[in-house]
Amino acid sequence: EVRLVESGGALVQPGRSLTLSCTASGFTFGDFVMSWFRQAPGKGPEWIGFIVSSASGGTVEYAASVRGRFSISRDDSAAIAYLDMSNLKEEDSGMYYCTRALGQQVGSWYFAYWGQGTRVTVSS
Amino acid sequence: DFQMTQSPSSLSASVGDRVTITCRASQDISIFLAWYQQRPGTVPKLLIYGPSTLHSGVPSRFSGGGFGTDFTLTISSLQPEDVGTYYCVKYNGPPLTFGGGTKVEIK
Repeated sequence: EVRLVESGGALVQPGRSLTLSCTASGFTFGDFVMSWFRQAPGKGPEWIGFIVSSASGGTVEYAASVRGRFSISRDDSAAIAYLDMSNLKEEDSGMYYCTRALGQQVGSWYFAYWGQGTRVTVSS
Repeated sequence: DFQMTQSPSSLSASVGDRVTITCRASQDISIFLAWYQQRPGTVPKLLIYGPSTLHSGVPSRFSGGGFGTDFTLTISSLQPEDVGTYYCVKYNGPPLTFGGGTKVEIK
């Protein structure tokens, strides 16, 4: 069974940094694209970025709203994906979800497996 | 900026009704569209991708179609468990962009 467990969410002040982790199990982690999404209360989901498999180059792509402030990485040996967030703003508040692509094909960027999320609140 | 426009933003229908949600892309995205369902208080769930392939375990009353810029999600016979918000999302390349959502309620 595919399982994704996010951790690291917290209440932080604007301008501070935070790192989220996603611990995966139930599949060969290194074979799949992993992505982070977020959802503010009462709003729709928003894509943050993804990291392709190491075998496909480990390329990372980001949404414009977070590029330069957020960084996604992966540790295939530990089956963990990370989201490093810096210079946090109040509009970064929300539930953050770690997801896995359904298939292994390049470009199959639809995400069938979601964790339960970890909450980030940015407030002074 | 690339946009995905969903309509309607909300709908109320009776159990057993046929319901159709549309999603329009601001540029041609070929077949690279997926639909998600989010029931209240839960995580988004992948329903359809490609844009007519049902994800495993999704009831056959759900169907998707379209190509290029215009896409549809149809529920052939609305059930009480279908209450929630439905989102289209384009995935032909980054950024992945969601539509604004369609909230489905039972009349």
